[in-house]
Order: sequence, then structure tokens, then C-alpha cells
Amino acid sequence: DGGITQSPKYLFRKEGQNVTLSCEQNLNHDAMYWYRQDPGQGLRLIYYSQIVNDFQKGDIAEGYSVSREKKESFPLTVTSAQKNPTAFYLCASSIGEGTSFYEQYFGPGTRLTVT
Amino acid sequence: AQSVTQLDSHVSVSEGTPVLLRCNYSSSYSPSLFWYVQHPNKGLQLLLKYTSAATLVKGINGFEAEFKKSETSFHLTKPSAHMSDAAEYFCVVSGPPGGGNKLTFGTGTQLKVEL
Repeated sequence: DGGITQSPKYLFRKEGQNVTLSCEQNLNHDAMYWYRQDPGQGLRLIYYSQIVNDFQKGDIAEGYSVSREKKESFPLTVTSAQKNPTAFYLCASSIGEGTSFYEQYFGPGTRLTVT
Repeated sequence: AQSVTQLDSHVSVSEGTPVLLRCNYSSSYSPSLFWYVQHPNKGLQLLLKYTSAATLVKGINGFEAEFKKSETSFHLTKPSAHMSDAAEYFCVVSGPPGGGNKLTFGTGTQLKVEL
């Protein structure tokens, strides 16, 4: 089955620790995205990558870092510099940008709780 | 810049009655528009998309939406609600051309379906 996997589903960390969220896709998509979801705020873009070894900051990149060493993988690290890391994190992928906009496909999400 | 406004944060309907979820958008270019659905603690699933073809778009599970440029609206409708439709719905507008296929999300409408 083609799709996007995120692991783990639930993650608990102590304040001051870095944590890495996994995102893998087997859809052969070029572009991948990380979003943060908070109640009542919709989804906000953290980072995105249109091609391997390249990525751009989204609207709320501070306190986060990413890498894109393989087409299938786009891990997100939540660093200790992120002031309010507790949230639901969603990874997505799409064909990329062409003559029209392509829909994004979403993974099941990781709920991160930092105490 | 582009933006999307979902006019109702909560909508409650009885099973078997019509559903109307309202969305207005703003953009300086001809956008693509999407509706996504999210069940609790799950990822987002695409319901339908408008990409400058027919203005009336049919999606999955009996949902449809009509693009009205003069009103800058893209309301989501369904003739008869089912209990399984209870979820959160997001109206989404595409980013500017050349911007990496980014999407801008509304803040969501929570749909409740009562017996």
C-alpha cells in the first residue's frame, strides 16, 4: 500500500530535550511538508522540501530543524529552543509544483507532549 | 497574500438533514481550493479539489462544493448527513505560483451530527 507513515503516534519528552519525529513516504513524491496543529488554529507550516538535499522555512520554523537526505524521508527535530512544543504534528507529501497545484497527502500524525 | 476564512467554527445538524460548511477565500491570483476532513487524532483526508475546471466539484462520500468567483466562496455541502460525517473540516487555498505548492488552511469547522 502506498502512503505516508509517521512514528511514533504518541511521544512524551521532558523539557529541554531534543526530539525527532519520523516521516516516511512511498508515493514517490518530490515534495514533503511538516505542519503543526493546535486547537482552533488550523495547520501551520513549519518546513517544506521540494527536492532532496533542499528545504525551506515555513511560517513557524523557529525551534525546529529538518533534513532531506532521501526522497522518501523527511524527519523533523523539535529542539529545546521551541518555546511551546506540545502539539499534534502532521507530515504531508505531494507530487510537487507543476502547471497546477497538487493536493497534499497526509500521514496519521504524531502527538508530542513535553512536560 | 492568500487567506481563507471558515465562517463557522461549529456546525450541528441532525442525521439525514443537509450540511452546509461555509468558506470564503482571498487571493491575488487564480487559486486552487480544497476541502479536507479530519477525524479525531487522525491525519487529513482530501474530500475534493477545485483547479479551474468545472465550478461545481464532486468529492467523496457525497460531498460537493461550488466555486463562486464573484463571491470568493467555496462552500461545502452534502444533501443528507450521516453520523460518520462528524469530524473537523478544513477549507484550504493554494499558495502563489512558484511558491512550492504550499497551502494555507482555514481554522476548521467542527461538524456534529445528532440522531
